[in-house]
Amino acid sequence: QSVLTQPPSASGTPGQTITISCSGSSSNIGGRHVYWYHQLPGTTPKLLIYKNNRRPSGVPDRFSGSKSGTSASLAISGLQSEDEADYYCAAWDDTLGGPKFGGGTKLTVL
Amino acid sequence: EVQLVESGGGLVQPGRSLRLSCAASGFTFDDFGMHWVRQSPGRGPEWVAGISWNSGKIGYAESVKGRFTISRDNAKNSVYLQMNSLRPEDTALYFCARGIWLEPFDQWGQGALVTVSS
Repeated sequence: QSVLTQPPSASGTPGQTITISCSGSSSNIGGRHVYWYHQLPGTTPKLLIYKNNRRPSGVPDRFSGSKSGTSASLAISGLQSEDEADYYCAAWDDTLGGPKFGGGTKLTVL
Repeated sequence: EVQLVESGGGLVQPGRSLRLSCAASGFTFDDFGMHWVRQSPGRGPEWVAGISWNSGKIGYAESVKGRFTISRDNAKNSVYLQMNSLRPEDTALYFCARGIWLEPFDQWGQGALVTVSS
């Protein structure tokens, strides 16, 4: 059972904006930074967002992150077919003593 | 360019041991904490163990506590995972990952496959 809760699936059409949520608690999201990763089948997870809302160089500005209280969200605007992947949130958890992942959201571009 | 290269994976019988290594390059190794993360087929990533830059802080997931040991050698830019008393449920792709302590990971290796089966 994941400490961070994500919807198992999300979908959208090309050009649309979608949002993926990540719900936690005061021991993780409430007091720590949230990171987001995406993973294509057979590949290594890739960092999309770090420290709640910062993008590493090379990540398009179509991807944005936000955090409020014990929840966070990843928004993807101008949805493209290549965005179809699994998306994971992560945050350090003070109770468990290490970083914890959400269960993942499988994004389908219709 | 940051590179993390895992080695030491393979097929091992239940109850036996295996040691994974991760060689780092392209950054100042002792500026960062290092972690091992695993992913079983069809499942999401799971943090396994982490170690701070000077080995002063170490943490383990409950599922491996008492069986796995993480260590690092800053002179060799390497981090290790000693895995003892392996179980079939430890079967996974094991990634080496970089992260400042108290933060998740910003860089990942390509992974080393560990299969525990008789």
